[in-house]
Amino acid sequence: KQEVTQIPAALSVPEGENLVLNCSFTDSAIYNLQWFRQDPGKGLTSLLLIQSSQREQTSGRLNASLDKSSGRSTLYIAASQPGDSATYLCAVGAGNKFYFGSGTKLNVKP
Amino acid sequence: GAGVSQSPSNKVTEKGKDVELRCDPISGHTALYWYRQSLGQGLEFLIYFQGNSAPDKSGLPSDRFSAERTGGSVSTLTIQRTQQEDSAVYLCASSSDRALQTQYFGPGTRLLVL
Repeated sequence: KQEVTQIPAALSVPEGENLVLNCSFTDSAIYNLQWFRQDPGKGLTSLLLIQSSQREQTSGRLNASLDKSSGRSTLYIAASQPGDSATYLCAVGAGNKFYFGSGTKLNVKP
Repeated sequence: GAGVSQSPSNKVTEKGKDVELRCDPISGHTALYWYRQSLGQGLEFLIYFQGNSAPDKSGLPSDRFSAERTGGSVSTLTIQRTQQEDSAVYLCASSSDRALQTQYFGPGTRLLVL
């Protein structure tokens, strides 16, 4: 069974810092990987979807990389802002479903 | 519609009662997922619909849980004889045409079983 782990569980940084969130998965036979953000009391918002044949995807200040063979993905956030404070979840797509990590709770201090 | 909607947003029920949770996906989206998120946990897959059929229902935790989808649109998740461990946020997501595409989530239904 696919296991998805996210490290760290929580992260607090001052505004303006660049930061990296990590996601690892146990089975490299994946179709794609998706990064989401979840704000308190709300549903998830998709940030980036990276196909298994891709190495990275970029959207604005966000960059996601994927190394399928080593079972790792990173989400890079440039020039962090207080509005980036949220929980970030990675989800690995395989079969018909996504397998989710437990998330990294990010706090960006003004 | 503009996005995925779910109702009710909050539900408090007594142990042993049945509850129905509703999901309205984005118009035209054929794939629909139900997930459960317990406090401080990641999302747990429950069931996947393609159109009105459910090719993968492997995540339903027990036979007290069932789901259906009608008209390729609205889906209902039913929990019979609720237990306290059923307390969680139930999230629905839809995507455009098949499994494993970009998922659009509803705001969730927060279920509390007393």
